[in-house]
Amino acid sequence: SQTIHQWPATLVQPVGSPLSLECTVEGTSNPNLYWYRQAAGRGLQLLFYSVGIGQISSEVPQNLSASRPQDRQFILSSKKLLLSDSGFYLCAWSPPSGTQYFGPGTRLTVL
Amino acid sequence: GQQLNQSPQSMFIQEGEDVSMNCTSSSIFNTWLWYKQDPGEGPVLLIALYKAGELTSNGRLTAQFGITRKDSFLNISASIPSDVGIYFCAGGDRTGSWGKLQFGAGTQVVVTP
Repeated sequence: SQTIHQWPATLVQPVGSPLSLECTVEGTSNPNLYWYRQAAGRGLQLLFYSVGIGQISSEVPQNLSASRPQDRQFILSSKKLLLSDSGFYLCAWSPPSGTQYFGPGTRLTVL
Repeated sequence: GQQLNQSPQSMFIQEGEDVSMNCTSSSIFNTWLWYKQDPGEGPVLLIALYKAGELTSNGRLTAQFGITRKDSFLNISASIPSDVGIYFCAGGDRTGSWGKLQFGAGTQVVVTP
């Protein structure tokens, strides 16, 4: 069966510091991968999606970037965090043109 | 972004009562999904609908894909305390090379004993 992992589970970072969140998927190959941000426990905002290694599409221009160095690895990064980057970050995977399955999430607090 | 209208925003119900929530859209979808999210966790898929008019059950949960393809509803029968959480609908298009979803804003369900 397929599983999706996110690391770390929680993170507290100062403003201006860099960020790296990792998402990995097991039990499937060539998944579509997604990064979402959720503020205040409501509303899912799609940030990035990827249909293959090195292929990243951005939905919202912002302070964040994403990379997909391996088939089942998706990384969310920032060079300098802003206060507004705080939130709950969710990674999801789907088979091509399929239903999305979410990871456990990373709670990011920027102080 | 969110282009689905999900209602109600919140519900306070007593244990044993039935719950009903719905989503409507101005766009046509060929997939409707319902997720539940517990505090501090990722959304978990409850029911997936792939055909207009489809009615699907998962235990005490029942969801329907509207015949117009612009709406869907979720019913929870005989609610129990563990039904507490936020329920999200999502509409999708499976005809593209990837499955982009549009999400509703969520329905928060609180169950009192």
